[in-house]
Amino acid sequence: DTGVSQDPRHKITKRGQNVTFRCDPISEHNRLYWYRQTLGQGPEFLTYFQNEAQLEKSRLLSDRFSAERPKGSFSTLEIQRTEQGDSAMYLCASSLVIAGDIDTQYFGPGTRLTVL
Amino acid sequence: DQQVKQNSPSLSVQEGRISILNCDYTNSMFDYFLWYKKYPAEGPTFLISISSIKDKNEDGRFTVFLNKSAKHLSLHIVPSQPGDSAVYFCAAPRAGGGADGLTFGKGTHLIIQP
Repeated sequence: DTGVSQDPRHKITKRGQNVTFRCDPISEHNRLYWYRQTLGQGPEFLTYFQNEAQLEKSRLLSDRFSAERPKGSFSTLEIQRTEQGDSAMYLCASSLVIAGDIDTQYFGPGTRLTVL
Repeated sequence: DQQVKQNSPSLSVQEGRISILNCDYTNSMFDYFLWYKKYPAEGPTFLISISSIKDKNEDGRFTVFLNKSAKHLSLHIVPSQPGDSAVYFCAAPRAGGGADGLTFGKGTHLIIQP
């Protein structure tokens, strides 16, 4: 049984560089979410996709952040001109949404970003 | 504005005893809640959920209780085992019912002592 996978698991970059993360959801899941988690906090919602459509973006997602899910399968999250405040764990989750049911999201292992 | 609150940053429980983790919420429109468990350097793992039309849901050693009038839920783990040591997060749907992302509490670090 393949869960949600994320690549890379760790990324160290210098301020001002661009980074891209990849998420592969559980294959039959139609929803894909991105969250960010910093020390001492719970995950914070960034954005989500229903199939290939990006339906909502949080105010946390500045113009330097962009996410795609081109074929409704894997997704990428790109951060341009990284800042030290972008250092966090970036989590991807997927779910199979059926109307009226609880949206149970399954998380990947996360990508730990450190901006120097 | 923290709509889901976990006011205990940490909790220490002896192995074999009951662990009770608490969560308060402010939005009466939440129609379900979820609990996740997280080990260091891993993503959150889904544990158990409860719909607002129920007041209890049980899965093995894990039971979640919901008190809507008090806007409070709790996760009971009986008996507690060393592998239960982790951070536990309470979560609810952001829009109070829509499938568009979750809002999480800050977590409670559960430590099971031998």
